[in-house]
Amino acid sequence: EPEVTQTPSHQVTQMGQEVILRCVPISNHLYFYWYRQILGQKVEFLVSFYNNEISEKSEIFDDQFSVERPDGSNFTLKIRSTKLEDSAMYFCASAPPLRTGGEKLFFGSGTQLSVL
Amino acid sequence: DAKTTQPNSMESNEEEPVHLPCNHSTISGTDYIHWYRQLPSQGPEYVIHGLTSNVNNRMASLAIAEDRKSSTLILHRATLRDAAVYYCILRDVGSGGSNYKLTFGKGTLLTVNP
Repeated sequence: EPEVTQTPSHQVTQMGQEVILRCVPISNHLYFYWYRQILGQKVEFLVSFYNNEISEKSEIFDDQFSVERPDGSNFTLKIRSTKLEDSAMYFCASAPPLRTGGEKLFFGSGTQLSVL
Repeated sequence: DAKTTQPNSMESNEEEPVHLPCNHSTISGTDYIHWYRQLPSQGPEYVIHGLTSNVNNRMASLAIAEDRKSSTLILHRATLRDAAVYYCILRDVGSGGSNYKLTFGKGTLLTVNP
């Protein structure tokens, strides 16, 4: 089965530094998402992206966050100035074209971000 | 998204059936019932979904109450590999459009004993 791939699997950065998390969604998918999961907590929605623009974002997704689909295959999440509380597992997901409402989201295996 | 209620944890023995309940008393007519699971140190994984009728696939079965206010995910023969957090999620696609997100709750932690 096709997979969503995320790189790197682990990222360590210093507080205040910029990080870019990369994702390659499944090739014919049109809907893209970022989620995060702080250790021991729920999987939290960050942002959804469709037709080259953000369709919804959560209150977590503030001005320090941005997303891009620069070349039609990659989907990136940038954190401009990382904070300690940004330490979490970040999951990328994609979904195929909407037909019936039952389409599933495919998640990557995540990037563990550690901010020191 | 409408709210779901699941037990925090459940335990099962290997090769026995497991019934994971979910209550969703405020479900609307356009809400699909989705189940995902998250194995340790992995991303969430789709399990099954349904609207009104019971559903079967290679992973599990989904039994939906006639009034749709509750549902049960059935693993017919639990294996050690099924130990995971199972999430019951309602997904409203009545408005259609570009936002198709899932909202995760705390889910049910399933422990499978050998």
